[in-house]
Amino acid sequence: EVQLVESGGGLVQPGGSLRLSCAASGFTFSTYWMNWVRQAPGKGLEWVANINPDGSEKYYVDSVKGRFTISRDNAKNSLFLQMNSLRAEDTAVYYCAKSNWFDPWGQGTLVTVSS
Amino acid sequence: QSALTQPASVSGSPGQSITISCTGTNSDVGGYNSVSWYRQHPGKAPKLMIYDVSNRPSGVSSRFSGSKSGNTASLTISGLQAEDEADYYCCSYASSSTRYVFGTGTKVTVL
Repeated sequence: EVQLVESGGGLVQPGGSLRLSCAASGFTFSTYWMNWVRQAPGKGLEWVANINPDGSEKYYVDSVKGRFTISRDNAKNSLFLQMNSLRAEDTAVYYCAKSNWFDPWGQGTLVTVSS
Repeated sequence: QSALTQPASVSGSPGQSITISCTGTNSDVGGYNSVSWYRQHPGKAPKLMIYDVSNRPSGVSSRFSGSKSGNTASLTISGLQAEDEADYYCCSYASSSTRYVFGTGTKVTVL
């Protein structure tokens, strides 16, 4: 069974940093594009970033460019999102999702940016 | 890159059919056959229902179907059931630096 489990969320002050992790199992992680998608409280879905199988290509939504960095460790079947210079508007549940079809999704991890 | 436009809400009675639209531009929906649809129940993660405009993943009911015409994609749910009550989002690949764009979301209510 394909499974994605996010971790690393929490409460952080504006300007702070956080590193999210996504542990993958049940599929050959090293052969798939992987994504981060977020959902602010009571709002819709927003694609954040994705990374190709070998980590050489990375893309970001404009609002996080220069602040967030997506990476992966294929040896450990793990996806990461390093988030720096966090803002209140980054408050959301962050999901990792497999492949270009976003299937499946993890359960999400909540990031709250507040003083 | 702006979010794709969906109706805020759609409702129907059990057994009826409903259609949710998803309108974008030539740079996303109209330019690629890479439109997908997701169902999200409250407090849960989204689930893929349709990919590449009209393909159903294994395990998804045949009551769900997708189509596209120009810059507008559509999701049709036939034989509406109580379990279909949820939020639905479309998503398209985009030619901009923002590679994917989601729709604004549609709340489906089963009357």
